[in-house]
Amino acid sequence: SYVLTQPPSVSVAPGKTARITCGGNNIGSKSVHWYQQKPGQAPVLVIYYDSDRPSGIPERFSGSNSGNTATLTISRVEAGDEADYYCQVWDSSSDHPNWVFGGGTKLTVL
Amino acid sequence: EVQLVESGGGLVQPGGSLRLSCAASGFTVSSNYMSWVRQAPGKGLEWVSVIYSGGSTYYADSVKGRFTISRHNSKNTLYLQMNSLRAEDTAVYYCARVEGSGLYYFDYWGQGTLVTVSS
Repeated sequence: SYVLTQPPSVSVAPGKTARITCGGNNIGSKSVHWYQQKPGQAPVLVIYYDSDRPSGIPERFSGSNSGNTATLTISRVEAGDEADYYCQVWDSSSDHPNWVFGGGTKLTVL
Repeated sequence: EVQLVESGGGLVQPGGSLRLSCAASGFTVSSNYMSWVRQAPGKGLEWVSVIYSGGSTYYADSVKGRFTISRHNSKNTLYLQMNSLRAEDTAVYYCARVEGSGLYYFDYWGQGTLVTVSS
C-alpha cells in the first residue's frame, strides 16, 4: 500500500516561514490534501488538490507538490498555527479505495 | 451550515460490540460519500471505512469483516457497527464527509466519539 512520510516535528519562530514536507513515491502524480489538528479538536482541512485553500483558511497557508515531495508552507507563522498537520492522498492502486494519511508533523511555534 | 455529530462511543470489553452514529445536518448523507476515520490515543489518523452515494462500501484491512458502515436516509445519519472489538480499536472515531472528484479528501469532520476497548 502507498506510504506517506512526514517529519515528526518542525519548529519555527513567530513571523517566519514553516515548511512541512510529505514524501511518497511519485507523489507528484497524486493530489495531496492537508489537515490541521489542534489538541482535543477534530482535523480541519487547510489545503486540497495540492494548493487550493478552503474558504476561511488564511492566504498564509499554501501548498505545492512535485516529484516525490509535497510541501505545506505557512508564511508569517503565528502562535495559533501551533498544531499537528497531516497530509493525505487517495489511493486506488489496491483492490479497494484507500485514504492514506501521513504520520503527522507537530508544528511548534518558538 | 454543515454539521456532523457523533455519538455512541464508550467503554466495551474485548470481543464486544458497539454502534456509532453520526447525525448530519446542512446536507444529505445519501447524496455524498461518507467515511469514518479514527485516531488512537497519541497517534495519527487512520481511515476506517467509506460508503459511496450509490451504496458501495469499503473497509481498511484492519477492520474488514468486523465493522459495517451503513446509513439511514430518512434520519440523515451514518452508522458504524463494530463487532469483535480489540484493544487496538481503542480510538477517537470521526465521521467525515468525502469531497472531490476522483481525488478525494475530507471537507467536514465531526467532533469525534471515544471508543475504549478494555477489560
